[in-house]
Amino acid sequence: SYVLTQPPSVSVAPGQTARITCGGDNIGSKSVHWYQQRPGQAPVVVVNNDDDRPSGIPERFSGSNSGNTATLTISRVEAGDEADYSCQVWDTTQNHPVFGGGTKLTVL
Amino acid sequence: QVQLQESGPGLVKASQTLSLTCTVSGDSITRGGIYWSWIRHHPGKGLDWIGFISHRGTTSYNPSLESLVNISVDTSKSQFSLKLRSVTAADTAVYYCARLVVVAGAHNWFDSWGQGILVTVSS
Repeated sequence: SYVLTQPPSVSVAPGQTARITCGGDNIGSKSVHWYQQRPGQAPVVVVNNDDDRPSGIPERFSGSNSGNTATLTISRVEAGDEADYSCQVWDTTQNHPVFGGGTKLTVL
Repeated sequence: QVQLQESGPGLVKASQTLSLTCTVSGDSITRGGIYWSWIRHHPGKGLDWIGFISHRGTTSYNPSLESLVNISVDTSKSQFSLKLRSVTAADTAVYYCARLVVVAGAHNWFDSWGQGILVTVSS
C-alpha cells in the first residue's frame, strides 16, 4: 500500500517560516491535502489539492507538491499555529485514503 | 453548513464490540459525491482511516481492520454507524466521523469532521 512519510516534529520561532514535508513515491502525481489538528480539537483542512486554501484559512498557509515530496509552508508563524499537521492522499491502487504519520509543529 | 456529531459509549470492555453513531445535520446524507467515513487517532500517532460508506450502502474498509469492522447507514435518521468487534487496548483512540468529498481524478479529501469521541478499551 502507499506510504506517506512525515518528520515527527518541526520547531520554529514566532514570525519565522515553517516547512512541513510529506514524502511518497511520485507523490507529485497525486493530490495532497493537509490537515491541522490543535490539541483536543477535530482536524481542519488547511490546504487541499496541493495548493488550494479553503475559505477562512489564512494566506500564510500554502502548499506545493513535486516529485517525491509535498510541502506545507506556514509563513509568519504564530503561537496559534502550534498543532499536529497531517498530509493525506488517495491511494488509487487500493481506492482508499492514506494519511501521513503527522508532524507536531512547536512554536518556540 | 454540515455538522457531524459522534455518539456512543466512551468505555468498552476488551473483546466486546465498539459501537458508535454519527448524526449528520445541515446536509443531505443522500447527496451524491460523498462518502461518510470513520477515522481514529491514537494518542501520539497519526490519523488512521477505518472505512467509509455511501448513502447507497457501498462500503470500503481499511484492509488491516476489514475482518472486524462494519459500517452501516440509516438515511431515514441521517446517521451512519461503526461497529468494531473484538476490541483490545490497541483500539483505544479518539474516533471521528467525517465527510469525504469524492472528486473525479482521485482528488478526494475530508472537508468536515465531527468533534471526536474518546473510546477507552478496558481490560
